[in-house]
Amino acid sequence: EDQVTQSPEALRLQEGESSSLNCSYTVSGLRGLFWYRQDPGKGPEFLFTLYSAGEEKEKERLKATLTKKESFLHITAPKPEDSATYLCAGLWWRDDKIIFGKGTRLHILP
Amino acid sequence: GAGVSQSPSNKVTEKGKDVELRCDPISGHTALYWYRQSLGQGLEFLIYFQGNSAPDKSGLPSDRFSAERTGGSVSTLTIQRTQQEDSAVYLCASSLNYNEQFFGPGTRLTVL
Repeated sequence: EDQVTQSPEALRLQEGESSSLNCSYTVSGLRGLFWYRQDPGKGPEFLFTLYSAGEEKEKERLKATLTKKESFLHITAPKPEDSATYLCAGLWWRDDKIIFGKGTRLHILP
Repeated sequence: GAGVSQSPSNKVTEKGKDVELRCDPISGHTALYWYRQSLGQGLEFLIYFQGNSAPDKSGLPSDRFSAERTGGSVSTLTIQRTQQEDSAVYLCASSLNYNEQFFGPGTRLTVL
């Protein structure tokens, strides 16, 4: 069964302290790897899609990268408003199921 | 334009009752997804529609769960004979393809 595993489960950073969130996935047959942001009480908000190893995408303080076995969401000089749960998800060629990881709860302290 | 809407926003029901959850996708989006999110858990894929067809229903947790989509637009998720373990937030998303999904605010279901 295809899987997505995220680490750490939770992360507390000081404002301005850069870090990375990890997402490992079932490698065989990956069609796309997605990152979403979810605020409490709301549905997830799309951030990035990555398709192939070596690909990188950026949006403001966030950069997503993809290797042959994992993806990283790098956050540079975060601000308190970046506090949220970040979700990683995968889609494989063998079916139409999108499998989400359990997410990383990020808390940025002012 | 309007985003994905879901109704009701909250539903409290008694064990054994049937419930219907509704999703209105973004106009023109051919793909529609249902997920379930339990407290502290990730999103659990339930079912995917391309147009009115659901190629894969294997994500539905049991035969008490069913979903349909009509006119390539509105979708309804029905849970029969609800159980306490069905309590969760049910999220709907739509997209033009599988790439960028737009999520609704969810329906919080509580089964007493």
